[in-house]
Amino acid sequence: GAVVSQHPSWVICKSGTSVKIECRSLDFQATTMFWYRQFPKQSLMLMATSNEGSKATYEQGVEKDKFLINHASLTLSTLTVTSAHPEDSSFYICSAPQNSGNTIYFGEGSWLTVV
Amino acid sequence: DQQVKQNSPSLSVQEGRISILNCDYTNSMFDYFLWYKKYPAEGPTFLISISSIKDKNEDGRFTVFLNKSAKHLSLHIVPSQPGDSAVYFCAASGYAGGTSYGKLTFGQGTILTVHP
Repeated sequence: GAVVSQHPSWVICKSGTSVKIECRSLDFQATTMFWYRQFPKQSLMLMATSNEGSKATYEQGVEKDKFLINHASLTLSTLTVTSAHPEDSSFYICSAPQNSGNTIYFGEGSWLTVV
Repeated sequence: DQQVKQNSPSLSVQEGRISILNCDYTNSMFDYFLWYKKYPAEGPTFLISISSIKDKNEDGRFTVFLNKSAKHLSLHIVPSQPGDSAVYFCAASGYAGGTSYGKLTFGQGTILTVHP
């Protein structure tokens, strides 16, 4: 079964509204989680590192005020796309490293469509 | 600057034969490498990984080879099955336990098609 769960799987929202995506680690704690974005026919690109108890760190070119990340507990990170626009439509995926197994697991992904 | 490259966009293999997917990297700080299988609109599924202290890791039908001097790794699938058809991504990270562990840089992906 899944060890990292993402919700929702897909969401359609109106331009200008905000959307929250949740990422949960199941059966293990993750002090760090990562958020990626994948546009059609492209690779996965790291957006930001979510740190439990502290601020997220963002990759170059990613607007921190637009993509709000909150790592509220050792098993939950949330990504909020604020004031979404059609160009934000993409596939968003989170990951969590399971240090005990030296494996990095991914969530199922969340498909966002902004209309 | 593409630090992880998969130069073959696609690979077609007959069922039962070996599939070899290749990946090159440029950043010598990468210490941990992973292969993922992915379908459209789904999250990547972990297949196999290898640390830079090894040159080979095997798990069932999957074997990953690492040539650190050449900064090259490959994934061998044998025997290939039609259910293996998917996009395969290689990814690289800092060493497990380090501050950059888990922060993955992905290649562009290779579409593998296994024909019955």
